Parts: sequence; structure tokens; C-alpha cells
Amino acid sequence: DAKTTQPPSMDCAEGRAANLPCNHSTISGNEYVYWYRQIHSQGPQYIIHGLKNNETNEMASLIITEDRKSSTLILPHATLRDTAVYYCIVRVNTGNQFYFGTGTSLTVIP
Amino acid sequence: DSGVTQTPKHLITATGQRVTLRCSPRSGDLSVYWYQQSLDQGLQFLIQYYNGEERAKGNILERFSAQQFPDLHSELNLSSLELGDSALYFCASSVAGGAGHSPLHFGNGTRLTVT
Repeated sequence: DAKTTQPPSMDCAEGRAANLPCNHSTISGNEYVYWYRQIHSQGPQYIIHGLKNNETNEMASLIITEDRKSSTLILPHATLRDTAVYYCIVRVNTGNQFYFGTGTSLTVIP
Repeated sequence: DSGVTQTPKHLITATGQRVTLRCSPRSGDLSVYWYQQSLDQGLQFLIQYYNGEERAKGNILERFSAQQFPDLHSELNLSSLELGDSALYFCASSVAGGAGHSPLHFGNGTRLTVT
């Protein structure tokens, strides 16, 4: 049921920016894009979400393309603690459900 | 800390038994969601409650049931347990129950082991 496509894995050097892509080509006009991460069997942690404008908070930035068919999560200065599985989710408005796909396993390398 | 509390953290039981998992949502959140994550599997949505009423159902087995109480805490009941029910069970909460874009906030889960 997931409506997003993410690369299965990525590496990033510690201290560099981590750019995690997500394709959501079938997104509808009123559907938001959410990003979560899960660190080793802990509960998924909310990172950020947006509709069409770029968003930034203390954890990350979210860049959504103008056609809204893809987005990129940016962790500006990756640390070892950012090693996790990152999930990009398009929320299904009917039923208010979040469907998690397989995500991107990000490894931050010292 | 997400503010969502799940108990117990770990549960070990035998096949055929019944267990109850408990979730206290964040203060002010009216919706509770239950998810299952088996070993090396993704998060599977089970069921959602909003202010005491069932709002949405996902891949929840008939042996499983849930409810949300007037104080908004929720319980997930798993019965006739099988080995394949061994998994992490996560609860999440959010302010809204239907339209809107409030995010879900997850607890740290209950790890169920069926032997």
C-alpha cells in the first residue's frame, strides 16, 4: 500500500550532509509527505512533514519539488547517532492512516 | 521522549495464551494507532481509535482486538497466540482522528515473544 519509493541503503560521512531521496509520483494535491526514522527497533521518531513548501526544523530540512512528485530529506551535519532506517510516507487522507514502506537504511561512517 | 507510554516493555508467553498490551497516548492526543513489526519486516498498521471509537482497520487478525477507554488509553488484546505473533508492537498517538496533518508520535513498543 506504500505510495513511495526510496533507495534501500545509503552511506554518509560523519559531518557531511545526508540527502535522502523519495519518489511519490502518485501523490494527490492534498496529501502531505512525512519523514520518520527508526533507530534499531526503537519506536519510529517523527522528523518533519510538508505539503508543498520547503520545511526546516531543528532536526532536518525537507525539500519538495514543485510538481510534488519527489522530495529530499536533508540532515545537514550527519552524526553517528543518525544511523537509522528513514521512512518517507505519503499520508492516505481517507482513514488517516500512515503506511510505512521499507525505507532507506542510512549508515553514517566515521 | 515522545510522550507515548507502552507497557510492558517485554512479554514472553506460550502458544495458545492471551496477552494484553497497554498504551497511554500523549497528553491531549485523541487518536491511538497500533502497529506490528515482525523481525526484519516493515511496520504493519493494525487499527486506529479516535476518542473511544474505532476509526480504521488494517491488517489485524480476528484473534486480535483493541479498545480505547474513556481516559483515552488503549489496550491491544492478542489471543490464541502463535509463534508467528512474535513481534514488536507499537502504539502511536496523534491529536486528530480524520482529516488534518498532525503527525503520529510513537511509543517504544512492547516486544512480544511467543514460545
